[in-house]
Amino acid sequence: EADIYQTPRYLVIGTGKKITLECSQTMGHDKMYWYQQDPGMELHLIHYSYGVNSTEKGDLSSESTVSRIRTEHFPLTLESARPSHTSQYLCASSPPYPSLNEQFFGPGTRLTVL
Amino acid sequence: DQQVKQNSPSLSVQEGRISILNCDYTNSMFDYFLWYKKYPAEGPTFLISISSIKDKNEDGRFTVFLNKSAKHLSLHIVPSQPGDSAVYFCAAKDRGQGNLIFGKGTKLSVKP
Repeated sequence: EADIYQTPRYLVIGTGKKITLECSQTMGHDKMYWYQQDPGMELHLIHYSYGVNSTEKGDLSSESTVSRIRTEHFPLTLESARPSHTSQYLCASSPPYPSLNEQFFGPGTRLTVL
Repeated sequence: DQQVKQNSPSLSVQEGRISILNCDYTNSMFDYFLWYKKYPAEGPTFLISISSIKDKNEDGRFTVFLNKSAKHLSLHIVPSQPGDSAVYFCAAKDRGQGNLIFGKGTKLSVKP
């Protein structure tokens, strides 16, 4: 059973605000990911991390930033939210080699920027 | 350009019958394929996977078939149950970075 948590689950915020989406996992997984998904569309990888102090940009360009100071924590920050950032944000982690094919997802944060 | 394609946005099936969800891919470097199931307001949950060196993997009511020459895979659910109603995402793992590339999903509705 995967234990990966995201807060908040829902967030409605005004344009220009700074926000941080939290993601934590208790499985000790090194690799973690952030995806962005709009209804009826694929999940787009926006950030990932191989472990502590590692952050990489994903396939989809994003104005958000991430940090990885602790293995279990992978927060995503938007310095100035805009309506175009409205989307669902999904955090995931994967177990170490050799079982690193699967990714375990959190419940997601539904972000609405007014 | 989409590397993983799920061309059917939706599928409706009667309870007890077979559900077949299809997925096509373009990149020969994919070495692993996965299916995820997603309910509204929840994150995707892993369902079943298959290595590129195999052509079939079965787990209970779920079977995934891989046709490498056609770059096509399919998920069979039999018998289908109303609780199977969800969006199903096909994903492929890139051999290099090890990241997953997802299709747009197919919404399955199983009617009682």
